[in-house]
Amino acid sequence: TQLLEQSPQFLSIQEGENLTVYCNSSSVFSSLQWYRQEPGEGPVLLVTVVTGGEVKKLKRLTFQFGDARKDSSLHITAAQTGDTGLYLCAGARGSGAGSYQLTFGKGTKLSVIP
Amino acid sequence: SAVISQKPSRDICQRGTSLTIQCQVDSQVTMMFWYRQQPGQSLTLIATANQGSEATYESGFVIDKFPISRPNLTFSTLTVSNMSPEDSSIYLCSVAFPPGPQHFGDGTRLSIL
Repeated sequence: TQLLEQSPQFLSIQEGENLTVYCNSSSVFSSLQWYRQEPGEGPVLLVTVVTGGEVKKLKRLTFQFGDARKDSSLHITAAQTGDTGLYLCAGARGSGAGSYQLTFGKGTKLSVIP
Repeated sequence: SAVISQKPSRDICQRGTSLTIQCQVDSQVTMMFWYRQQPGQSLTLIATANQGSEATYESGFVIDKFPISRPNLTFSTLTVSNMSPEDSSIYLCSVAFPPGPQHFGDGTRLSIL
């Protein structure tokens, strides 16, 4: 069974601070996705990383895929209250149709306090 | 992307009963999936809903407990049968237009008394 461990599980920070969320596994994934989920809504895709060592930036969010494609991190710079939400990482098992069979981590619940 | 509508958005049910959740998409999609998100747990894939044939279930999920229908390319249902408190969860459908990513509905929040 492929498992994804996310840490920390909960994070409460002041607006303007930086933070990093980690997603680790002992298994190799063909790709890894990061989602954000707000209460009462479904997860919304933020980014997909495919290549080992890949770094992607989305405004103040920086995503990195580990060289061995077993881990990933999400770094937020100068957090804003709008960043509050549940951040989920999900690993894909294969390519093609397999890329849609996702294993999710339990998520990191982020609260950004004004 | 697509507009995904799930019904009901929430329900409270008695143990031993069954509930059917609907997922309607505003365009034809190749792939549809059903997930479960239990409190404090990760999203878990229940099954892939196949149009015109039986769903493909993941390990730990069986058709008798979670029968799925997909009569066409825009609609699917998931039934949670003979419910117990352990079935209290959020149930989500997702769709994909390969090679694009998955898009999730807002989920059905189910509580079993």
